[in-house]
Amino acid sequence: DTEVTQTPKHLVMGMTNKKSLKCEQHMGHRAMYWYKQKAKKPPELMFVYSYEKLSINESVPSRFSPECPNSSLLNLHLHALQPEDSALYLCASSHRTSGSTDTQYFGPGTRLTVL
Amino acid sequence: GNSVTQMEGPVTLSEEAFLTINCTYTATGYPSLFWYVQYPGEGLQLLLKATKADDKGSNKGFEATYRKETTSFHLEKGSVQVSDSAVYFCALSYRGGTASKLTFGTGTRLQVTL
Repeated sequence: DTEVTQTPKHLVMGMTNKKSLKCEQHMGHRAMYWYKQKAKKPPELMFVYSYEKLSINESVPSRFSPECPNSSLLNLHLHALQPEDSALYLCASSHRTSGSTDTQYFGPGTRLTVL
Repeated sequence: GNSVTQMEGPVTLSEEAFLTINCTYTATGYPSLFWYVQYPGEGLQLLLKATKADDKGSNKGFEATYRKETTSFHLEKGSVQVSDSAVYFCALSYRGGTASKLTFGTGTRLQVTL
């Protein structure tokens, strides 16, 4: 089973709201990722967690706050977003093997609209 | 640095036509290569992968061969179906610190008509 689940599927929020995106995997993967994808563009990496520790932050604004409560769960907390943050947010996970052979498996995404 | 170049789309084909989507890469070291597919309104699905030179990845009738001499990983399918209509992303994976990182191409939209 190579399933990564994400909730909610759609989210509409105002610029003053606080909301959270959730991601879950039960494949025993030890690396988890957040990506942002704008229309007609490839995904852009935001954050990487490796063994529940933040490993990579691609200079993402602080209004996005990731959290990894355990090895199966990944959250993305959203606060004071801007309309340009509207996008598809994708979660992915991988075994975190050494070298470059690690394969990332993606969830279905959360479609976020910021009004 | 690492980069992936894909052919511009959209690619429009009739059902049962032969498909080729070109992908070339620039990388240091020995990356792994992937094709991901994204159907409308969905996330990315792994289509196939190859981890070393001359490896052939295959899945659902799609194939791609890791060619180190031409730095290419072209996607092919002998007979496309309407259900193959989607965006296809070529990507390479490299070790970035303590985790792997993916570099994506720009994506190629495939439209298959009856």
